[in-house]
Amino acid sequence: AQKVTQAQTEISVVEKEDVTLDCVYETRDTTYYLFWYKQPPSGELVFLIRRNSFDEQNEISGRYSWNFQKSTSSFNFTITASQVVDSAVYFCAPLTTSGTYKYIFGTGTRLKVLA
Amino acid sequence: EAQVTQNPRYLITVTGKKLTVTCSQNMNHEYMSWYRQDPGLGLRQIYYSMNVEVTDKGDVPEGYKVSRKEKRNFPLILESPSPNQTSLYFCASGGGDLYNEQFFGPGTRLTVL
Repeated sequence: AQKVTQAQTEISVVEKEDVTLDCVYETRDTTYYLFWYKQPPSGELVFLIRRNSFDEQNEISGRYSWNFQKSTSSFNFTITASQVVDSAVYFCAPLTTSGTYKYIFGTGTRLKVLA
Repeated sequence: EAQVTQNPRYLITVTGKKLTVTCSQNMNHEYMSWYRQDPGLGLRQIYYSMNVEVTDKGDVPEGYKVSRKEKRNFPLILESPSPNQTSLYFCASGGGDLYNEQFFGPGTRLTVL
């Protein structure tokens, strides 16, 4: 059975600090996809990034960066120089591909960036 | 404008009164899905559909029905709602290959009394 864990329930940082959100995905599948979504206080869900299990290259997009390590089943997300607008709930969401195409969302990490 | 629409956005109903939440997308996506969001539990997938007439259960399908008669529409049906189905519901669609990101609707807040 697959399991996704976002152990950090809530994180508070002061603006301009760097912050890393953790996600661990335990599965026996060798092929899978991992997504991060953001849910700001307004409630909509916004896609941030997709990675597949074969690609362990880190990725940087502006202030966002992602670190995927298959050996530890971790797919972490870092925001550099955080801003108040980054305040949101962040969800890690693996997609299973072994016979089904089900998404499993983590319980989310609420990030509060204080001015 | 590319979007996923849900109706109604808010609904208060009583136990046992059948209801339907509609979902429509204009992006010609093959994959559509329904989720419920509850505090502390994240989003849980109810049903998904990989194409017309193809639907499958997610993690929490009990008490729900879906149908996919057309590519653009994926209604969620509660035949006999109960208070434990009070939740925030999201519809989503995804296109291109099946591993692309999902686009989410604005959500439907349902209260069952």
